[in-house]
Amino acid sequence: DAGITQSPRHKVTETGTPVTLRCHQTENHRYMYWYRQDPGHGLRLIHYSYGVKDTDKGEVSDGYSVSRSKTEDFLLTLESATSSQTSVYFCAISPSSGGVRNEQFFGPGTRLTVL
Amino acid sequence: TQLLEQSPQFLSIQEGENLTVYCNSSSVFSSLQWYRQEPGEGPVLLVTVVTGGEVKKLKRLTFQFGDARKDSSLHITAAQPGDTGLYLCAGAKRNYGQNFVFGPGTRLSVLP
Repeated sequence: DAGITQSPRHKVTETGTPVTLRCHQTENHRYMYWYRQDPGHGLRLIHYSYGVKDTDKGEVSDGYSVSRSKTEDFLLTLESATSSQTSVYFCAISPSSGGVRNEQFFGPGTRLTVL
Repeated sequence: TQLLEQSPQFLSIQEGENLTVYCNSSSVFSSLQWYRQEPGEGPVLLVTVVTGGEVKKLKRLTFQFGDARKDSSLHITAAQPGDTGLYLCAGAKRNYGQNFVFGPGTRLSVLP
Protein backbone atom coordinates (compact mmCIF):
# COMPACT_ATOMS: atom_id res chain seq x y z
CA ASP A 1 0.00 0.00 0.00
CA ALA A 2 1.14 3.51 -0.84
CA GLY A 3 1.23 5.32 2.50
CA ILE A 4 -1.84 7.50 2.10
CA THR A 5 -4.49 8.06 4.73
CA GLN A 6 -7.58 10.22 4.65
CA SER A 7 -9.57 11.56 7.57
CA PRO A 8 -12.34 11.42 8.36
CA ARG A 9 -13.51 8.41 6.35
CA HIS A 10 -17.16 9.38 6.73
CA LYS A 11 -18.81 12.68 7.60
CA VAL A 12 -22.34 14.00 7.69
CA THR A 13 -22.76 17.74 7.99
CA GLU A 14 -25.35 20.43 7.42
CA THR A 15 -25.58 22.99 4.66
CA GLY A 16 -23.59 26.12 5.43
CA THR A 17 -21.08 24.56 7.81
CA PRO A 18 -17.33 24.51 7.11
CA VAL A 19 -15.68 21.14 6.51
CA THR A 20 -12.01 20.20 6.28
CA LEU A 21 -10.77 16.91 4.89
CA ARG A 22 -7.22 15.77 5.51
CA CYS A 23 -4.85 13.75 3.34
CA HIS A 24 -1.61 12.46 4.84
CA GLN A 25 1.20 10.68 2.98
CA THR A 26 4.35 8.98 4.18
CA GLU A 27 5.94 8.66 0.70
CA ASN A 28 7.42 12.17 0.50
CA HIS A 29 5.92 12.56 -2.99
CA ARG A 30 5.88 16.04 -4.45
CA TYR A 31 2.46 15.98 -6.10
CA MET A 32 -0.84 15.65 -4.28
CA TYR A 33 -4.36 15.82 -5.67
CA TRP A 34 -7.94 16.07 -4.48
CA TYR A 35 -10.68 14.48 -6.61
CA ARG A 36 -14.38 13.99 -6.19
CA GLN A 37 -16.18 10.97 -7.60
CA ASP A 38 -19.84 11.09 -8.55
CA PRO A 39 -22.00 8.66 -10.55
CA GLY A 40 -21.87 9.45 -14.24
CA HIS A 41 -18.93 11.83 -13.88
CA GLY A 42 -16.06 9.64 -12.82
CA LEU A 43 -13.16 11.25 -11.03
CA ARG A 44 -12.91 15.03 -11.37
CA LEU A 45 -9.94 17.05 -10.19
CA ILE A 46 -10.69 19.72 -7.57
CA HIS A 47 -7.25 21.09 -6.70
CA TYR A 48 -3.70 19.85 -6.84
CA SER A 49 -0.36 20.73 -5.26
CA TYR A 50 3.10 20.57 -6.76
CA GLY A 51 4.96 21.44 -3.57
CA VAL A 52 4.67 23.05 -0.16
CA LYS A 53 2.52 26.17 -0.48
CA ASP A 54 2.23 25.56 -4.26
CA THR A 55 -1.31 24.75 -5.33
CA ASP A 56 -3.50 25.20 -8.39
CA LYS A 57 -7.13 24.79 -9.39
CA GLY A 58 -8.58 21.81 -11.14
CA GLU A 59 -11.70 21.25 -13.18
CA VAL A 60 -14.24 21.70 -10.35
CA SER A 61 -12.59 24.05 -7.85
CA ASP A 62 -15.50 26.40 -7.11
CA GLY A 63 -16.51 26.21 -3.43
CA TYR A 64 -13.26 24.50 -2.39
CA SER A 65 -9.92 25.70 -1.08
CA VAL A 66 -6.74 23.81 -0.25
CA SER A 67 -3.61 24.26 1.79
CA ARG A 68 -0.29 22.46 1.95
CA SER A 69 2.00 23.67 4.72
CA LYS A 70 3.98 20.42 4.91
CA THR A 71 5.00 17.91 2.26
CA GLU A 72 3.00 15.15 3.93
CA ASP A 73 -0.33 16.94 4.44
CA PHE A 74 -2.85 18.30 1.92
CA LEU A 75 -6.05 19.80 3.31
CA LEU A 76 -9.30 20.33 1.41
CA THR A 77 -11.75 22.86 2.87
CA LEU A 78 -15.36 23.47 2.01
CA GLU A 79 -15.92 26.95 3.41
CA SER A 80 -19.71 26.63 3.43
CA ALA A 81 -20.88 23.17 2.47
CA THR A 82 -23.75 22.74 0.00
CA SER A 83 -25.79 19.66 -0.90
CA SER A 84 -24.11 19.60 -4.34
CA GLN A 85 -20.84 18.83 -2.54
CA THR A 86 -22.17 15.51 -1.29
CA SER A 87 -19.69 13.09 -2.85
CA VAL A 88 -16.82 10.71 -2.27
CA TYR A 89 -13.52 12.57 -2.06
CA PHE A 90 -10.23 10.93 -2.96
CA CYS A 91 -6.72 12.13 -2.35
CA ALA A 92 -3.95 10.95 -4.65
CA ILE A 93 -0.19 11.30 -4.70
CA SER A 94 2.35 11.11 -7.51
CA PRO A 95 6.13 11.16 -7.56
CA SER A 96 6.18 13.29 -10.71
CA SER A 97 4.09 15.23 -13.17
CA GLY A 98 4.18 14.33 -16.82
CA GLY A 99 6.59 11.89 -18.40
CA VAL A 100 6.77 8.17 -17.93
CA ARG A 101 6.60 8.11 -14.15
CA ASN A 102 3.36 10.03 -13.78
CA GLU A 103 1.50 7.35 -11.88
CA GLN A 104 -0.97 8.17 -9.18
CA PHE A 105 -1.73 6.33 -5.97
CA PHE A 106 -5.03 6.86 -4.23
CA GLY A 107 -6.18 7.04 -0.64
CA PRO A 108 -9.21 5.12 0.66
CA GLY A 109 -11.63 8.05 0.22
CA THR A 110 -13.91 10.16 2.41
CA ARG A 111 -17.67 9.88 2.01
CA LEU A 112 -19.20 13.30 2.70
CA THR A 113 -22.92 13.89 3.02
CA VAL A 114 -24.26 17.43 3.22
CA LEU A 115 -27.85 17.60 4.47
CA THR B 1 -15.96 18.18 -21.91
CA GLN B 2 -15.12 14.51 -21.44
CA LEU B 3 -11.63 14.06 -22.88
CA LEU B 4 -11.66 10.31 -22.33
CA GLU B 5 -14.55 8.06 -23.27
CA GLN B 6 -14.91 4.49 -22.07
CA SER B 7 -17.06 1.71 -23.47
CA PRO B 8 -19.05 -0.16 -22.59
CA GLN B 9 -20.34 1.69 -19.56
CA PHE B 10 -21.64 -1.51 -17.97
CA LEU B 11 -20.76 -5.14 -18.66
CA SER B 12 -22.15 -8.27 -17.03
CA ILE B 13 -20.69 -11.61 -18.07
CA GLN B 14 -20.38 -15.20 -16.87
CA GLU B 15 -17.25 -16.59 -15.30
CA GLY B 16 -14.87 -17.92 -17.94
CA GLU B 17 -15.86 -15.51 -20.71
CA ASN B 18 -13.47 -13.10 -22.39
CA LEU B 19 -14.08 -9.36 -22.62
CA THR B 20 -12.57 -6.16 -23.92
CA VAL B 21 -13.13 -2.62 -22.67
CA TYR B 22 -12.08 0.48 -24.53
CA CYS B 23 -10.75 3.92 -23.68
CA ASN B 24 -10.84 6.51 -26.45
CA SER B 25 -9.90 10.14 -26.92
CA SER B 26 -9.26 12.71 -29.61
CA SER B 27 -6.26 13.89 -27.58
CA VAL B 28 -2.75 12.50 -27.54
CA PHE B 29 -1.41 11.38 -24.17
CA SER B 30 2.17 10.91 -23.02
CA SER B 31 1.04 7.89 -21.05
CA LEU B 32 -2.13 6.14 -20.03
CA GLN B 33 -3.01 4.28 -16.87
CA TRP B 34 -5.62 1.66 -16.05
CA TYR B 35 -7.07 1.40 -12.56
CA ARG B 36 -9.50 -0.98 -10.87
CA GLN B 37 -11.74 0.25 -8.11
CA GLU B 38 -13.78 -1.88 -5.74
CA PRO B 39 -16.75 -0.56 -3.76
CA GLY B 40 -15.75 1.60 -0.81
CA GLU B 41 -12.11 1.78 -1.85
CA GLY B 42 -9.83 4.02 -3.85
CA PRO B 43 -8.68 3.17 -7.38
CA VAL B 44 -5.70 0.81 -7.57
CA LEU B 45 -3.19 1.21 -10.38
CA LEU B 46 -2.99 -1.83 -12.68
CA VAL B 47 -0.64 -0.69 -15.42
CA THR B 48 0.94 2.28 -17.19
CA VAL B 49 1.50 2.25 -20.95
CA VAL B 50 3.82 4.78 -22.49
CA THR B 51 4.80 3.86 -26.06
CA GLY B 52 2.40 3.88 -29.00
CA GLY B 53 1.51 0.29 -29.90
CA GLU B 54 2.76 -1.01 -26.55
CA VAL B 55 1.22 -4.21 -25.20
CA LYS B 56 1.51 -5.19 -21.54
CA LYS B 57 0.27 -8.37 -19.90
CA LEU B 58 -0.65 -8.80 -16.27
CA LYS B 59 -1.69 -12.44 -15.78
CA ARG B 60 -5.07 -12.71 -17.58
CA LEU B 61 -5.19 -8.98 -18.37
CA THR B 62 -3.75 -7.58 -21.60
CA PHE B 63 -3.40 -3.83 -22.08
CA GLN B 64 -2.71 -2.11 -25.39
CA PHE B 65 -1.88 1.50 -26.15
CA GLY B 66 -2.92 2.73 -29.58
CA ASP B 67 -0.26 3.59 -32.14
CA ALA B 68 -1.26 7.25 -32.05
CA ARG B 69 -1.41 7.27 -28.23
CA LYS B 70 -5.05 8.38 -28.28
CA ASP B 71 -6.73 5.16 -27.22
CA SER B 72 -6.25 1.99 -25.22
CA SER B 73 -7.92 -1.33 -24.61
CA LEU B 74 -8.05 -3.81 -21.76
CA HIS B 75 -8.73 -7.46 -22.57
CA ILE B 76 -9.51 -9.98 -19.85
CA THR B 77 -9.23 -13.69 -20.63
CA ALA B 78 -11.35 -16.21 -18.73
CA ALA B 79 -12.89 -13.64 -16.40
CA GLN B 80 -13.32 -14.55 -12.74
CA PRO B 81 -15.65 -13.10 -10.08
CA GLY B 82 -12.60 -11.45 -8.51
CA ASP B 83 -12.30 -9.29 -11.64
CA THR B 84 -15.55 -7.55 -10.74
CA GLY B 85 -15.10 -3.80 -10.26
CA LEU B 86 -14.96 -0.40 -11.88
CA TYR B 87 -12.21 -0.08 -14.49
CA LEU B 88 -10.92 3.44 -15.03
CA CYS B 89 -8.51 4.74 -17.63
CA ALA B 90 -6.55 7.93 -17.05
CA GLY B 91 -4.45 9.90 -19.51
CA ALA B 92 -1.47 12.07 -18.69
CA LYS B 93 -0.34 14.90 -20.89
CA ARG B 94 2.99 16.63 -20.80
CA ASN B 95 2.78 20.33 -20.06
CA TYR B 96 -0.85 19.89 -19.06
CA GLY B 97 -1.47 21.74 -15.85
CA GLN B 98 -3.99 19.30 -14.47
CA ASN B 99 -1.77 16.38 -15.33
CA PHE B 100 -4.32 13.57 -15.35
CA VAL B 101 -7.72 13.11 -17.00
CA PHE B 102 -9.98 10.22 -16.07
CA GLY B 103 -12.58 8.42 -18.12
CA PRO B 104 -16.01 7.71 -16.57
CA GLY B 105 -15.25 4.02 -16.10
CA THR B 106 -16.56 0.61 -17.13
CA ARG B 107 -18.42 -1.27 -14.42
CA LEU B 108 -17.74 -4.99 -14.82
CA SER B 109 -19.70 -7.73 -13.09
CA VAL B 110 -18.50 -11.32 -13.45
CA LEU B 111 -21.12 -13.82 -12.33
CA PRO B 112 -20.10 -17.24 -10.97
